[in-house]
Amino acid sequence: GQQLNQSPQSMFIQEGEDVSMNCTSSSIFNTWLWYKQDPGEGPVLLIALYKAGELTSNGRLTAQFGITRKDSFLNISASIPSDVGIYFCAGLNYGGSQGNLIFGKGTKLSVKP
Amino acid sequence: SQTIHQWPATLVQPVGSPLSLECTVEGTSNPNLYWYRQAAGRGLQLLFYSVGIGQISSEVPQNLSASRPQDRQFILSSKKLLLSDSGFYLCAWKTGVGYTFGSGTRLTVV
Repeated sequence: GQQLNQSPQSMFIQEGEDVSMNCTSSSIFNTWLWYKQDPGEGPVLLIALYKAGELTSNGRLTAQFGITRKDSFLNISASIPSDVGIYFCAGLNYGGSQGNLIFGKGTKLSVKP
Repeated sequence: SQTIHQWPATLVQPVGSPLSLECTVEGTSNPNLYWYRQAAGRGLQLLFYSVGIGQISSEVPQNLSASRPQDRQFILSSKKLLLSDSGFYLCAWKTGVGYTFGSGTRLTVV
């Protein structure tokens, strides 16, 4: 079945540093989504990408839909302690998986003040 | 407005006891609903999804079952819990392209 490879698995950074994480797949996706999960909460949608090559920002977050439609990255600039959590990428292929999202395994971000 | 409710927030149950977790959505009709489990604060494992009343698709064989008795209600159940059923359970609802997640239930089987 379709799978997403998300990396890195975890990151330990200093407050103020920039962060980059990505997702790759052997399959093409029509939509890429990035979610953040705060500890003990459900994931919340951060950014949605709908077109190959699309670059979208949400505050300090920037995400891109890869040209090949098989990858996406998320950057966080000038990290702050509240950026701590697990970040998930998710892909949607309208013709596969019954229209359900495929999730990466997550990137756990820890930020030292 | 559209909202999703999931309860209880935490649950401690003995091995062999039954389980019932409930998820309801408001402000929509005929939603696609999902149950996920998350172990050790890591990946999301899709357990069940439902596209309508009485329609349940199971993604992985397990000790759990799901039911959708009403359009906006999705229930996760077990007749006898195992230690390995411990985890963080999330209900989700397909909103547009993405999903909206509930706040989760932390289940500890002792």
